[in-house]
Amino acid sequence: EAGVAQSPRYKIIEKRQSVAFWCNPISGHATLYWYQQILGQGPKLLIQFQNNGVVDDSQLPKDRFSAERLKGVDSTLKIQPAKLEDSAVYLCASSLWQEETQYFGPGTRLLVL
Amino acid sequence: GEDVEQSLFLSVREGDSSVINCTYTDSSSTYLYWYKQEPGAGLQLLTYIFSNMDMKQDQRLTVLLNKKDKHLSLRIADTQTGDSAIYFCAAYLFTSGTYKYIFGTGTRLKVLA
Repeated sequence: EAGVAQSPRYKIIEKRQSVAFWCNPISGHATLYWYQQILGQGPKLLIQFQNNGVVDDSQLPKDRFSAERLKGVDSTLKIQPAKLEDSAVYLCASSLWQEETQYFGPGTRLLVL
Repeated sequence: GEDVEQSLFLSVREGDSSVINCTYTDSSSTYLYWYKQEPGAGLQLLTYIFSNMDMKQDQRLTVLLNKKDKHLSLRIADTQTGDSAIYFCAAYLFTSGTYKYIFGTGTRLKVLA
């Protein structure tokens, strides 16, 4: 069974630029999560989808971050414009359903200069 | 409030046992998880325990749960150099109308040859 796929693996941008990350969850997984992991910290949930609907986006900085999962399968996370403090690893995870175990992708490492 | 705490570092000699500790504050946690993160990689699920269990053993891994003290531990028997990584404790709980993972800050395990 293929795992959670993410791209790109690394991205370097300058502040005020835009960036987008892509995630393809495990086939059949209805729930998809985006996490932000700042160096030295645990992952922090940004947004959770159930199929193509948003379940929880309470910690998403909506003035600059947006995410979508239009067909209930893959998802994109966008930052526009980026700030220095957005430098982090962005992890995508999926689970069969909300209360099931999460499986993580390898992450996208973002550096904002 | 929801909080998960871990000690930051642990150093052991190869062949010894490692014990990584975690405390959590929310008694509504249903599942408690241990994840392993190697450099540049996503989080790998190691094991989990349901909140009505006291202990779970899986090969070299033993999870102990003390519900009264809200204390969770992960014991790795016969620790190997390949076990060097960051270990995250996560509590899975139902809050504000949705299921949510709360992660600790991670414990960096260094195994000395």
